[in-house]
Amino acid sequence: LAKTTQPISMDSYEGQEVNITCSHNNIATNDYITWYQQFPSQGPRFIIQGYKTKVTNEVASLFIPADRKSSTLSLPRVSLSDTAVYYCLVGDMDNAGNMLTFGGGTRLMVKP
Amino acid sequence: DSGVTQTPKHLITATGQRVTLRCSPRSGDLSVYWYQQSLDQGLQFLIQYYNGEERAKGNILERFSAQQFPDLHSELNLSSLELGDSALYFCASSVADSFDGTITDTQYFGPGTRLTVL
Repeated sequence: LAKTTQPISMDSYEGQEVNITCSHNNIATNDYITWYQQFPSQGPRFIIQGYKTKVTNEVASLFIPADRKSSTLSLPRVSLSDTAVYYCLVGDMDNAGNMLTFGGGTRLMVKP
Repeated sequence: DSGVTQTPKHLITATGQRVTLRCSPRSGDLSVYWYQQSLDQGLQFLIQYYNGEERAKGNILERFSAQQFPDLHSELNLSSLELGDSALYFCASSVADSFDGTITDTQYFGPGTRLTVL
């Protein structure tokens, strides 16, 4: 199983750049890396997805090294509304079929 | 609004009872996923259906079952409820089958059903 490991929590201040790293040592060749954001009592929301190198959208950037054993979600100039839990998701495949694996998530607290 | 709907929004019941949670995927999505999230816990994948067929199972208890109907809506049945089953239950949908070995399809999550077992 492509188990993911993320920091349990992180603190930041408004206006700072936040980088959250996810480890996924057993990532399979076909797996993409997807990040989700979740606010309390709401369903997770897609942020960004990538396979290798760097991906950028209007919300975040995703950096993936050549070995793909980790990935880093970068949130530029965070605001209070970015306080949420961020999940790294890596698809997994085994002989019985794939199983998505959400990590424990990283609880980001943005302070004024 | 993700386009995924879940009913009911809240559900309060007693131990030993049985409940059914309902999910309607986004228009055009063929895959439905069910997740459980206990208080301050991460998301636990339960089960996935694609176009009516079960595709993957996660940490789903034998007391729980699900199905996807021809109109693609899905139901999660929870029976012999225990206090520990109290949680948020999320449904998500995606266009394709995330387990087809190609791209990990983006999942769109519903607002969840909060189940409280007393």
